[in-house]
Amino acid sequence: EPEVTQTPSHQVTQMGQEVILRCVPISNHLYFYWYRQILGQKVEFLVSFYNNEISEKSEIFDDQFSVERPDGSNFTLKIRSTKLEDSAMYFCASSESVYTTYEQYFGPGTRLTVT
Amino acid sequence: GQNIDQPTEMTATEGAIVQINCTYQTSGFNGLFWYQQHAGEAPTFLSYNVLDGLEEKGRFSSFLSRSKGYSYLLLKELQMKDSASYLCAVRDASGAGSYQLTFGKGTKLSVIP
Repeated sequence: EPEVTQTPSHQVTQMGQEVILRCVPISNHLYFYWYRQILGQKVEFLVSFYNNEISEKSEIFDDQFSVERPDGSNFTLKIRSTKLEDSAMYFCASSESVYTTYEQYFGPGTRLTVT
Repeated sequence: GQNIDQPTEMTATEGAIVQINCTYQTSGFNGLFWYQQHAGEAPTFLSYNVLDGLEEKGRFSSFLSRSKGYSYLLLKELQMKDSASYLCAVRDASGAGSYQLTFGKGTKLSVIP
């Protein structure tokens, strides 16, 4: 069964450093998402991406964040200057469509630890 | 905006039936999803409701009442492996082509022998 993959599984970085989290969505999917989950808290929407541009972003997704689809398969989330509060599990998701029953499939996540 | 409420924790016995409730207030609604999340893992899709009524899928069923802003997930014949968090999520329809999911805090279900 096709699945969303993410690398790395765990990233440790120092405050102020840039990180890039990578995702490979399911191949025939058109809509891509990033969510984050701080330990013990709820899953929060960051950004959605369709047709090579951001569709919508949340208040969390400030100027320190950016997304890119550099080629036909990868979808990346960049945090330019990490803060301690960016420590969380970051999930990439993709869906075939946004209509009716098309659910979002989540990747296994990247655990980001900022020290 | 969206506000989603569900109980924080529940405990049930192996072989029993458990119902996890979810209430929501939304500015736009385009469906309600239930996801299962084991500790340290990604959410996995369980069910989807967009019209009122019950959707059955094996041991799992989900119900929606749009007028009441209410849904529940019913798990039958509980197994130990069902111990997980169950996330209620509403898909927004008010954005321009985004359809982001807004999640509740999740209900941690513990299944005991």
